[in-house]
Parts: sequence; structure tokens; C-alpha cells
Amino acid sequence: GDSVTQMEGPVTLSEEAFLTINCTYTATGYPSLFWYVQYPGEGLQLLLKATKADDKGSNKGFEATYRKETTSFHLEKGSVQVSDSAVYFCALEYYGGSQGNLIFGKGTKLSVKP
Amino acid sequence: DADVTQTPRNRITKTGKRIMLECSQTKGHDRMYWYRQDPGLGLRLIYYSFDVKDINKGEISDGYSVSRQAQAKFSLSLESAIPNQTALYFCATSDLDGGIRTQYFGPGTRLLVL
Repeated sequence: GDSVTQMEGPVTLSEEAFLTINCTYTATGYPSLFWYVQYPGEGLQLLLKATKADDKGSNKGFEATYRKETTSFHLEKGSVQVSDSAVYFCALEYYGGSQGNLIFGKGTKLSVKP
Repeated sequence: DADVTQTPRNRITKTGKRIMLECSQTKGHDRMYWYRQDPGLGLRLIYYSFDVKDINKGEISDGYSVSRQAQAKFSLSLESAIPNQTALYFCATSDLDGGIRTQYFGPGTRLLVL
């Protein structure tokens, strides 16, 4: 069945460092892909999304490119800030018997030190 | 974004008790969801509803029931709580945004079953 695998955390970086969080997926067809972010004590928020191969989603300095050939959707940011400390979830839109539901990865916790 | 509220935000209960978690939204979104989040497991779907008369089981529905009282309200019940239902519970809504179904999450209910 469809699934999402993302790198395990926690990831600890210094402020202004480069961030990559890897995400790969298994799916039949061509799902939409998402990154959600969960700040401490809050619910998940949509960070960015992409719907087809080679689409690049971007928001708040974060980017991810839908790579069909490698079934990947890695999250990147050129210079992280302390305020980026959160848990990041990769997700795909599942079309099985329930169109539009999401399958989430297990989440990657990011801590950014000043 | 959808205004999704959850009550209570925190709840402690004892094994065998019946409890209800409530969710309401003010944006008129058609679909609503209940997830649970456990450390290292990401989010797992419990139930989802496409409208008031369309309710579906998710990945882990055993031990839970739901009620969609109105388009804006979706309640989750634990008929007889057990300790392994201790988790963080999220309600979400979804709507089409630029042709992509995007989910919006509430702040979560932290449940402890003793």
C-alpha cells in the first residue's frame, strides 16, 4: 500500500545552517505531496505542497521538489532560524478507497540552537 | 485557514470510563477527520466524515466511535477508555484549495488514561 518514509530525528542544527529533511514515498499513481509543520503545543499547519512531477512547493524559505524518478519530496531551507524548531511531517494524498485522505510519515523533530 | 477548535485541551480519565472529545469548525468545510498522534508513529487516522451522513472508519477505529452532529461538529467517543488510548488527538477539516484538498488541524486534545 501507499506509504511515506522520512528521516528519523531529532535533527539539531545551529542557526543559519542548511536544512535537509529527506522524504520518500511509495504510491500507485501520482499523489499530491505535502509538508506539514507542528510547532510546540500546536496542531499541524500546512507548510507547502506539490501536485505533479517537478513541481516545487515553497513557503517561509522552505522548498521541496516533487521528484517522480526518485519518488522523493525532500524539504530544504538555506538558513534555519531558532523559530523553525518544530516537528515536520511529510504526507501524501491517498486515493485508494477514500479520495483525498492523507498518509503521514512519522515526523522529524528539528531543534535549532542560537 | 479553518478555525478548528477542540475541547477539552487536556483530559485525564480512568480505565473503563466513557469520554467524548469535541471538535467544531467555523469555515463550512465539508470533510472532517479524527487522528491520534503517538511518539514515533506520526498521525494515524481514526475516523473521517465527508458530510453529515457519510462517516467512515480509518486505519485504527477499534475502540472509538464518532458522531457528526452537524456540518460544523464532529465528536469522538471512547466508549470504555484503556491506557493504550493515551495519546494526542487531533481533529481536522479539509477543503479544496486551488484544486488540492488541504487539511486544517485543530490544536489537539491531550488524553491520559490511567
